[in-house]
Amino acid sequence: DADVTQTPRNRITKTGKRIMLECSQTKGHDRMYWYRQDPGLGLQLIYYSFDVKDINKGEISDGYSVSRQAQAKFSLSLESAIPNQTALYFCATSGTGGVTGELFFGEGSRLTVL
Amino acid sequence: GENVEQHPSTLSVQEGDSAVIKCTYSDSASNYFPWYKQELGKRPQLIIDIRSNVGEKKDQRIAVTLNKTAKHFSLHITETQPEDSAVYFCAASFTGGGADGLTFGKGTHLIIQP
Repeated sequence: DADVTQTPRNRITKTGKRIMLECSQTKGHDRMYWYRQDPGLGLQLIYYSFDVKDINKGEISDGYSVSRQAQAKFSLSLESAIPNQTALYFCATSGTGGVTGELFFGEGSRLTVL
Repeated sequence: GENVEQHPSTLSVQEGDSAVIKCTYSDSASNYFPWYKQELGKRPQLIIDIRSNVGEKKDQRIAVTLNKTAKHFSLHITETQPEDSAVYFCAASFTGGGADGLTFGKGTHLIIQP
């Protein structure tokens, strides 16, 4: 089945370390997103990309960067991790030209920064 | 930017009863309103959505209503079942009906009591 795959699923790291979360998809979608989920705060958009040459900041992009290596791959980096970046991170995709704007989420990457 | 308020944060209902979750939005230009369900430890999944050109949409036991004048929309679940227990997120988008620029509410934890 076409899906959205995130690696790693769980990661524990220390303050100041560089971390990369990777996302790949087999849905053939152009649009990819990175969201952060904190308990009681819902889903907050970090970055999104319409295609390889198009990257856009979301509502909470500070402290994060992204790379769209190919249509199917979108990576999120924390250059110098800090404890308040401890959260569950979701990658998502959506198609273009369709009648719905449905987001298809990956299974999530749980990051703990000590 | 858009601001989405969601209430209540926790809702407990008896199995078989109805549940209603309400959301308000701030940007009158928003025209796409999806609802996502997230079961414990799982990824969010779209369960129903509505666009601003309709006032109500139903899909079996779930329905969504939209009041554009008052800028609020609601999710209604009838004849609740144990599998309805989850966190539900509403969202609003002003980008012509797509997934881009979705702003999520903080979520409602729905508990179905046996």
